[in-house]
Amino acid sequence: DADVTQTPRNRITKTGKRIMLECSQTKGHDRMYWYRQDPGLGLRLIYYSFDVKDINKGEISDGYSVSRQAQAKFSLSLESAIPNQTALYFCATSDPGTREYGYTFGSGTRLTVV
Amino acid sequence: QKEVEQDPGPLSVPEGAIVSLNCTYSNSAFQYFMWYRQYSRKGPELLMYTYSSGNKEDGRFTAQVDKSSKYISLFIRDSQPSDSATYLCAMLKGAQKLVFGQGTRLTINP
Repeated sequence: DADVTQTPRNRITKTGKRIMLECSQTKGHDRMYWYRQDPGLGLRLIYYSFDVKDINKGEISDGYSVSRQAQAKFSLSLESAIPNQTALYFCATSDPGTREYGYTFGSGTRLTVV
Repeated sequence: QKEVEQDPGPLSVPEGAIVSLNCTYSNSAFQYFMWYRQYSRKGPELLMYTYSSGNKEDGRFTAQVDKSSKYISLFIRDSQPSDSATYLCAMLKGAQKLVFGQGTRLTINP
C-alpha cells in the first residue's frame, strides 16, 4: 500500500457542487499539506496542518476548507466548485525530524469542474 | 514577484546530453534547497537535497547552490529517456513549509 493515499484519483463534478477529496497516510507524520498543481504554476499550498489541532491557510485557501480528522487523515473540501478549481490536487506529509524534512506526496487527484 | 522562479520549459534534448535546470529565489531566508522529480500522473519525489552553497553529487545528478546569487541548479549527465519528467525546485525557510518553483518539463529523446 502507498504511504500517502488520495481518493478519488479522478473526479468530474458540476459547478456549484460540494466535493471532498480525502487523504490518508501510514507514515506516522504529524504534518500534512494540500497542494494544487496547475500547468506553468507549479505546486501552490492550499492548507496545512502541523498536528491534529492545528489548521493553517496557505497561499490560495479561498474557496477551500479542510478537516483533520486524525493524525492519519486530512480532507480537502470545495464548498461550491467552480471551473477555475479544475486542477491536480496533491496531499503530502512531512517529518521535520529528517534532514530533508521527509516530504511524501500522494499520487494526486485530478479534479475537473464543468 | 514569486519567491521562487523556474523556467517551465518545455525542454527537449537528445539522449546523452547534459541537462541544466535552474531556479532563482528572492528570499535570503531560504536555507534548504531541494529538487523533486515528477513523472506523469504521479506525485513529486525527492531527488536531491542541499543545505549549503556548493555542489552535491549523486550518480548522474549534481545539485548546485549559490546563495550569494540566490541561484540553484540541477545538472543531469548522460541523460536517459527515463529522465523525462517534470523537475521542480523547492525551498524551505526553517522548519516550515516548502515553496516550489513552477517546474520544468523535460523530455529526453532517444
